[in-house]
Amino acid sequence: DVKVTQSSRYLVKRTGEKVFLECVQDMDHENMFWYRQDPGLGLRLIYFSYDVKMKEKGDIPEGYSVSREKKERFSLILESASTNQTSMYLCASSLWIGTGVDGYTFGSGTRLTVV
Amino acid sequence: SQQGEEDPQALSIQEGENATMNCSYKTSINNLQWYRQNSGRGLVHLILIRSNEREKHSGRLRVTLDTSKKSSSLLITASRAADTASYFCATDANFGNEKLTFGTGTRLTIIP
Repeated sequence: DVKVTQSSRYLVKRTGEKVFLECVQDMDHENMFWYRQDPGLGLRLIYFSYDVKMKEKGDIPEGYSVSREKKERFSLILESASTNQTSMYLCASSLWIGTGVDGYTFGSGTRLTVV
Repeated sequence: SQQGEEDPQALSIQEGENATMNCSYKTSINNLQWYRQNSGRGLVHLILIRSNEREKHSGRLRVTLDTSKKSSSLLITASRAADTASYFCATDANFGNEKLTFGTGTRLTIIP
């Protein structure tokens, strides 16, 4: 069964810490995405990547960076965690089909709490 | 920015009844997708409808798309307790990139 795996389901970090959220997919998908989900705000795109070493800013990139050194792995980095980054983080991947966006496969999510 | 907006925000129905959720969006699209999210979990892709399609079926799901009104509906027939979840529509604007923009979701509760 194909899947997207996020390294942690729950994470608690202190303000100012550098935080790494890891995401791995086994479907050979070109596209990978990081969203955060907050009550009343839905899913908001942080960063996405079309290919290895490529990255594009989403709607809310401030305070975040990403790394994609291998096709299957897309990491989200919180350079200096703050309490307003407490959220559910969702990773997704999709196949390039050339005519619009194919369905995303999501990971189970990482619920990050910054104290 | 939110491209899709679902309506209603919350819906409660009796098991066995049909559930209808609506989605409106703002820009021209390549396709529209619906996703389900069980509490505290990731989203699961349900169905994709292309901009040149008007209706699509998958099991108990029926999706319609009206590009002139920039709206879509998701119908779940003969609802079950396991259908309790949040449902999101997502669109990709036809600018040539690969990203989806999600709405804020409809919370569906099926009462046994």
